[in-house]
Amino acid sequence: QSPLTQPASVSGSPGQSITISCTATSSDIGDYSLVSWYQQHPGKAPKVIIYEANKRPSGISSRFSGSKSGNTATLAISGLQTEDEADYYCCSFGGTKVLFGGGTKLTVL
Amino acid sequence: QLVESGGGLVPPGRSLRLSCVGTGFNFDDYDMLWVRQVPGKGLEWVSAITWNSGRITYADFVSGRFAISRDNTKNSLFLEMASLKPEDTAFYYCASSASDYFDLWGRGTLVTVSS
Repeated sequence: QSPLTQPASVSGSPGQSITISCTATSSDIGDYSLVSWYQQHPGKAPKVIIYEANKRPSGISSRFSGSKSGNTATLAISGLQTEDEADYYCCSFGGTKVLFGGGTKLTVL
Repeated sequence: QLVESGGGLVPPGRSLRLSCVGTGFNFDDYDMLWVRQVPGKGLEWVSAITWNSGRITYADFVSGRFAISRDNTKNSLFLEMASLKPEDTAFYYCASSASDYFDLWGRGTLVTVSS
């Protein structure tokens, strides 16, 4: 059981907006501002889309945004597109350990 | 890019050595890590090593069975896995750490532990 809890699945229609939460359930989580989000399409390697809770790497669409409040980080995707259908993972640190959330499958209906 | 190799089918209890070669960036400027993923399941961190091998960390499930290392002269990262168990069956990815996130990932190498 990961100390980072995500919903197993979310869905939305093209053009809509969705959010995916990531809640730290353990006091072992350190600086939770160091949350990153990864997108993974089937058969592909993960790709970072948000780091330090709300920063986008170069080349990542502005439709992706991140925020954090208390022990919950949130990934928001606006203007859903079919290519956004993928698995999404949050990630943070607990002491010297790297922690991943269980992942959320986004379905674009 | 990062390219993993060394995966394959191995019987339980045996050993395997994974390699990861980095090209197109200053490999020795980056901390590196291994992440695994059971097919159809989530990501699971395995181990990390700082740029100069000064700090090495492992997930609890490793229990002394795996050893991470790197050779910056060859832009290479390694994972020596011993006493393999069927539950170690997974895709193993190497990734580079920009600072507090992982900006470059390999395509993974599949390790199957089965008799």
